[in-house]
Amino acid sequence: AQKVTQAQTEISVVEKEDVTLDCVYETRDTTYYLFWYKQPPSGELVFLIRRNSFDEQNEISGRYSWNFQKSTSSFNFTITASQVVDSAVYFCALSEAGGAQKLVFGQGTRLTINP
Amino acid sequence: GAVVSQHPSWVICKSGTSVKIECRSLDFQATTMFWYRQFPKQSLMLMATSNEGSKATYEQGVEKDKFLINHASLTLSTLTVTSAHPEDSSFYICSARTSLYYEQYFGPGTRLTVT
Repeated sequence: AQKVTQAQTEISVVEKEDVTLDCVYETRDTTYYLFWYKQPPSGELVFLIRRNSFDEQNEISGRYSWNFQKSTSSFNFTITASQVVDSAVYFCALSEAGGAQKLVFGQGTRLTINP
Repeated sequence: GAVVSQHPSWVICKSGTSVKIECRSLDFQATTMFWYRQFPKQSLMLMATSNEGSKATYEQGVEKDKFLINHASLTLSTLTVTSAHPEDSSFYICSARTSLYYEQYFGPGTRLTVT
């Protein structure tokens, strides 16, 4: 069975600090996809990134970066120079590559950026 | 592109009544739609997967007679909560994907409150 663990329930930092959100996953599949979503207070999920299991290159998008390591089954997300607008709940998710490609979500990490 | 809408965005109903939530893909044909439920401060839990023209596949523990899902067209899926009770109060989110891409596009969610 697939499982995603986000051990950090809540993180609070001061603006401009860097912060890393951890994500560890379990799957028996050799081909799968990993995702990060942001859920602001409005509730609507915002897609951040998708990674397939064969692409272990780290990705950077502005202040956001992702570190995918298959050896440790981790897909961590770092926000550099955090801003108050980054405050939200962040979900890591895993989906199978075939079939219905259902998403399995982690428990989420509530990130609060204090001014 | 790839916009998914939900209607209504929030609804209050009395215990024992039924409520229907619509999920529409506005600019693409959704061969598969997913329904999630999210309780306060919790993660998204997949309730069911529906393919156009087929019966929905429900996740373990989800009562199919209580949560009726109809995916009648490539742009519309509906979730009907029958004989709603206060414990059904939750945030319901749908997502949709095409057969071509792995991306799931999420709707803005519907907040259901049963009094």
